[in-house]
Amino acid sequence: RKEVEQDPGPFNVPEGATVAFNCTYSNSASQSFFWYRQDCRKEPKLLMSVYSSGNEDGRFTAQLNRASQYISLLIRDSKLSDSATYLCVVNSGGYQKVTFGTGTKLQVIP
Amino acid sequence: GAVVSQHPSWVICKSGTSVKIECRSLDFQATTMFWYRQFPKQSLMLMATSNEGSKATYEQGVEKDKFLINHASLTLSTLTVTSAHPEDSSFYICSKASSYEQYFGPGTRLTVT
Repeated sequence: RKEVEQDPGPFNVPEGATVAFNCTYSNSASQSFFWYRQDCRKEPKLLMSVYSSGNEDGRFTAQLNRASQYISLLIRDSKLSDSATYLCVVNSGGYQKVTFGTGTKLQVIP
Repeated sequence: GAVVSQHPSWVICKSGTSVKIECRSLDFQATTMFWYRQFPKQSLMLMATSNEGSKATYEQGVEKDKFLINHASLTLSTLTVTSAHPEDSSFYICSKASSYEQYFGPGTRLTVT
């Protein structure tokens, strides 16, 4: 089983739609979870950290389910500019070392 | 602004030659930096952890004699791809970490012909 798994997509959604991505992780000792966004041929950039209680940043909501070992990202009112690959990132050993999922590609269409 | 820079941003080299990629921390000192590789349509894979003043720690399956890492100062880590082959063509990204996130360089696209 992969350490971090994501549905690669692509998810093609119309502008204004709500879309959700899930990510599962295998290491129950993982402590830190993040969603990163990566545009084509660019470096990943932090979108948001994921906290145990769940957290929201504008149109983006992240949730953590430790019992089932998955995290989720919900995007409301999708914009064309949200089109990107969303990477699930999990702390895998040591507070700085992380493992990336393969990413979920989102395409928002007009 | 950018907190990690990489140079070069892209490079084309002939098979058998060596290529050096530089990764600089522009704001705070980084005793630890990370080197990743990303093939098309795949995720970032950690290659090695670069430690200032000591040997790098390589991930399983990464040849340390082929991918030479030097972290001689608190702001600079270099990755040298020795005797490059076409299968080494990839997007190489370095990063440094704080307690809360990783900061990535812009990446270096290596094409070996």
